[in-house]
Amino acid sequence: AAGVIQSPRHLIKEKRETATLKCYPIPRHDTVYWYQQGPGQDPQFLISFYEKMQSDKGSIPDRFSAQQFSDYHSELNMSSLELGDSALYFCASSGGTGKGTEAFFGQGTRLTVV
Amino acid sequence: AQSVTQLDSHVSVSEGTPVLLRCNYSSSYSPSLFWYVQHPNKGLQLLLKYTSAATLVKGINGFEAEFKKSETSFHLTKPSAHMSDAAEYFCVVSSSGYALNFGKGTSLLVTP
Repeated sequence: AAGVIQSPRHLIKEKRETATLKCYPIPRHDTVYWYQQGPGQDPQFLISFYEKMQSDKGSIPDRFSAQQFSDYHSELNMSSLELGDSALYFCASSGGTGKGTEAFFGQGTRLTVV
Repeated sequence: AQSVTQLDSHVSVSEGTPVLLRCNYSSSYSPSLFWYVQHPNKGLQLLLKYTSAATLVKGINGFEAEFKKSETSFHLTKPSAHMSDAAEYFCVVSSSGYALNFGKGTSLLVTP
């Protein structure tokens, strides 16, 4: 079965550079979530989209932005990268947002800022 | 606001013995609760979920959890641990259907 696809799997950037992470949800899923997981930390919710509109916002820095496109894939744009942005970034998708809707997670993009 | 507290950051059990990972939740609404597992350098996999149906929820790999409203708990159990169960376990709450709020995680170590 198709799963959530994230690209790239690994990314190395220098401070102050820009990075773009991509997420391709499971077919027919209309909701995408982004999470940031620092080393030894629990995943922190960044932002979510439902039907191409932002549905919820968490602890996403102002330097980051995201959007969901007409084909439901999503991109997380990160500018002015800092060392502290080094983390595993997960994308998840779900089919709707009803009570108990399960979110399926991708393998993550490991971003290293040097 | 909804949140979860995982009461143990590390749990160590011997192979073949029971597993208990504790989670308490706080939610203004009737919550949906999940347990996810994360193996090293892997993504997050759903073990089980509670959505106000049966209070005893059975998941994959022999895990189950019981929702106790009076105790605001959703503890994860397994009768007999396997070496392959060693991983990080996250208790997760969702009230709005949008953001999932993760607990700090419990690292399960299984010794031979």
